[in-house]
Amino acid sequence: EIVLTQSPGTLSLSPGERATLSCRASQSVGSNSLAWYQQKPGQAPRLLIYGTSSRATGIPDRFSGSGSGTDFTLSINRLEPEDFAVYSCQQYGSAPYTFGQGTKLEIK
Amino acid sequence: QVQLVESGGGVVQPGTSLRLSCAASGIPFIKYGMHWVRQAPGKGLEWVASISNDGSKENYADSVRGRFTVSRDNSKNSLYLQMNSLRAEDTAVYYCASSGGGYGDYWGQGTLVTVSS
Repeated sequence: EIVLTQSPGTLSLSPGERATLSCRASQSVGSNSLAWYQQKPGQAPRLLIYGTSSRATGIPDRFSGSGSGTDFTLSINRLEPEDFAVYSCQQYGSAPYTFGQGTKLEIK
Repeated sequence: QVQLVESGGGVVQPGTSLRLSCAASGIPFIKYGMHWVRQAPGKGLEWVASISNDGSKENYADSVRGRFTVSRDNSKNSLYLQMNSLRAEDTAVYYCASSGGGYGDYWGQGTLVTVSS
C-alpha cells in the first residue's frame, strides 16, 4: 500500500499570497497518477488536479500541480477567499487508491 | 449536468448489514469506473472500493475486504455497496464518485452511516 503524507497539516496564509502544499508518497506513484481535491465544510470533495498537473474542468489557472515519483506539490497563486478549505491528494496508480490525510488552508 | 445521488444510509447496530445505492445521471455510466470513498466524522478521506465500468474488476481497502461488496447495474445507471458485519469504525459519510480516468471526477453529496449500539 502506498502511504501518502501531506504537509503541512495546517497552512495559515492571507488572501493574495501563494500556497504550496506537499504530498509525499512512500513509494513511486505509477504513471504520475496523482490527484488533488478541495473540500469545504459540509461539501463533497471537488477534483482540482489529475495526472499530477492537469487541471480539471472549470478549475482556475491559479491552481497548478507538479511533481513526479514520490514528491508532488499543489500550488495556489494569489489566494482568493474561496480557496480556504481542506486539500487532499490521492494516488490512483495502484490499488488501494490511498488518500493523504489532508492539509487545511486557513485564513491568517 | 452530472448527478450522483447516494441513498441507503442510516443508524444500524454493530454486526448488522446495510446496502448503499448511488444513482447516476448526466454521464455515460457504462463508460465509467466507480469508487466508494468514506469520511469518518472530523477525519480525512478514505478510499473504500472501486469497480470497473463493466463490473468485471473490483478492488477493496484492507479495512473492508471480506465484509463489503461493490456492484453495479449498468441498465439502471446504479452503483451499490453491500456492507456486512458493520463495526463502529465504519461510521462515516459514504460518497460515490465516478472514475473516468482512475481519479474521482464527479462526486455525490454522500450518505451518512452510523454504526452504534
